[in-house]
Amino acid sequence: DTGVSQDPRHKITKRGQNVTFRCDPISEHNRLYWYRQTLGQGPEFLTYFQNEAQLEKSRLLSDRFSAERPKGSFSTLEIQRTEQGDSAMYLCASSLADSLTQTQYFGPGTRLLVL
Amino acid sequence: GESVGLHLPTLSVQEGDNSIINCAYSNSASDYFIWYKQESGKGPQFIIDIRSNMDKRQGQRVTVLLNKTVKHLSLQIAATQPGDSAVYFCAENYNTDKLIFGTGTRLQVFP
Repeated sequence: DTGVSQDPRHKITKRGQNVTFRCDPISEHNRLYWYRQTLGQGPEFLTYFQNEAQLEKSRLLSDRFSAERPKGSFSTLEIQRTEQGDSAMYLCASSLADSLTQTQYFGPGTRLLVL
Repeated sequence: GESVGLHLPTLSVQEGDNSIINCAYSNSASDYFIWYKQESGKGPQFIIDIRSNMDKRQGQRVTVLLNKTVKHLSLQIAATQPGDSAVYFCAENYNTDKLIFGTGTRLQVFP
């Protein structure tokens, strides 16, 4: 399967701990996105990369959140000093930026529960 | 704004019937639209997309209609099957690469 993969699929942590999630995009895709989804809502944009450059960040992305894509392939999303309000599904998507398509393909998500 | 309600609208259809799921989008300048299907515990799955220079696009058993005048998008599923049961989201895109998702609709298919 060559789709978007995310690791871990589930994470339970205590408030105040740091967590890091990983996303591996579809191999030829140069754009990578992070979204957050809470129960009953649609995904909300957090940030995205084109290759290794982080091009846009949502105001939802507080200073406790940081994302990297150091080699333009996989990406990590770190949340420092987690809070209960961070509990959500964190989704990664990737796309190939060209003039013909903008389709974003999503991974299975990482479900975070902060106790 | 971009927030959506906690209670998803639900569409219940009988297996074999056609389903129509509607979506109102927010930005009249949006030029690209996508429908996603999301099953419980999984990420959104691409179904079909449409650009703003079109008003209809067909896929396998699915059709998307775009009415830019009233900022309305619909997804039609022909001969709905139990495997179609999921939450369906429309998403719009304008000038940046972030997708803005609409309120999801839960589709329930009963025998």
